[in-house]
Amino acid sequence: EEQLVESGGGVVRPGGSLRLSCAASGFNFHDYGMSWVRQVPGKGLEWVSGITWNGGSTGYADSVQGRFTISRDNARNLLYLQMNSLRGEDTALYHCARRKDYGGHYYYDPWGQGTLVTVS
Amino acid sequence: IQMTQSPSSLSASLGDRVTITCRASQVIRNDLGWYQQKPGKAPRLLIYAASNLQSGVPSRFSGSGSGTDFTLTISSLQPEDFATYYCLHPDSYPPRFGQGTKLEIK
Repeated sequence: EEQLVESGGGVVRPGGSLRLSCAASGFNFHDYGMSWVRQVPGKGLEWVSGITWNGGSTGYADSVQGRFTISRDNARNLLYLQMNSLRGEDTALYHCARRKDYGGHYYYDPWGQGTLVTVS
Repeated sequence: IQMTQSPSSLSASLGDRVTITCRASQVIRNDLGWYQQKPGKAPRLLIYAASNLQSGVPSRFSGSGSGTDFTLTISSLQPEDFATYYCLHPDSYPPRFGQGTKLEIK
């Protein structure tokens, strides 16, 4: 079964840092781009960051550019999100998701259930 | 590119046919997907490239549209279909989700 499991969330003070991890299993992790998508409780989905299969290219939402860093360890099947200078508006459930090619169209599937980050 | 979903919430009964719409602020060809999310669960891909049913998704789900206007249709609501649905345009930067449509039992 293809599975993603996030960890590392918690409560942090404004200005603090946190590193999220996402453990992949059931598929060849090194073959796929990956992303982080967050969700404010009770609200919608917001793409946060993405990384190519080899880590050679990364991208960020404007809201986190310069504060968050995405990375991966293909030998350990792990995706990371280093979050610095955290703000109250970063409070959310953070999901990792695999970016998969569906005939030239890339969609996110599967997703993890998320890890909750609370900045307060 | 902005994605506008409607309605934001919808009440329906078992067996009803329901339609959710997603409108893009620019032409996006057929680069649109639909996701279902249940409380406390990860989003699940239902439809990709506007009208292609993801493997394992029941055939009562269908998608249509191209250009700027898209629809997700559930032909006959089942108890497990009550959830929140999101559209996604993955090929913009950043990828854009619709605001979501919460489907509730009437």
